[in-house]
Amino acid sequence: GAVVSQHPSWVICKSGTSVKIECRSLDFQATTMFWYRQFPKQSLMLMATSNEGSKATYEQGVEKDKFLINHASLTLSTLTVTSAHPEDSSFYICSAQPQRSGLGEQYFGPGTRLTVT
Amino acid sequence: AQKITQTQPGMFVQEKEAVTLDCTYDTSDQSYGLFWYKQPSSGEMIFLIYQGSYDEQNATEGRYSLNFQKARKSANLVISASQLGDSAMYFCAMREGVSNFGNEKLTFGTGTRLTIIP
Repeated sequence: GAVVSQHPSWVICKSGTSVKIECRSLDFQATTMFWYRQFPKQSLMLMATSNEGSKATYEQGVEKDKFLINHASLTLSTLTVTSAHPEDSSFYICSAQPQRSGLGEQYFGPGTRLTVT
Repeated sequence: AQKITQTQPGMFVQEKEAVTLDCTYDTSDQSYGLFWYKQPSSGEMIFLIYQGSYDEQNATEGRYSLNFQKARKSANLVISASQLGDSAMYFCAMREGVSNFGNEKLTFGTGTRLTIIP
């Protein structure tokens, strides 16, 4: 149980284009999903918290117009990197928090490696 | 101040030995939760074990146990009988405050890279 999928697993795009990453909870409903960014050999950096049906809450320093988050249902959240540039190249990981969890644990997707050329 | 501190950037352990990964935390909340995650080279974060601040017993999950010392604010992960497949990055994380059934952020430490030697 508690499986989260992420698609695509890797993507290469040209500078200036937009890329959409999907995050799905496959066997549970998630009120809250999180988007992280991870640089090589570093910890996870929280970018934003997304709740179904409402606007995402972005962490300080994260450009909301550049990283568009949509949480359309209890099982799907999407992150769109708009007008991507090489500095946006990174490993993006989503996580989902089960709707009825009393612990606050998060289950993570396998991540998406984005390379912007 | 760092909320989660993992002081061991890397560890090498012989296969079948037990290993302890250190984690200390800093919070003024009375209610909080502590988590350990494993990240293999594939990148996926795997939830291993949870300890609540009010839990009197140390959490255990198979070969994983959490050595919770509340007064010292430490939550070390113990892996017994290590296996080659345990080689990975390990992250300690904390949820501050009472679990509210959603919207709870986790703060992660910098991680420890564990390598199991055959």
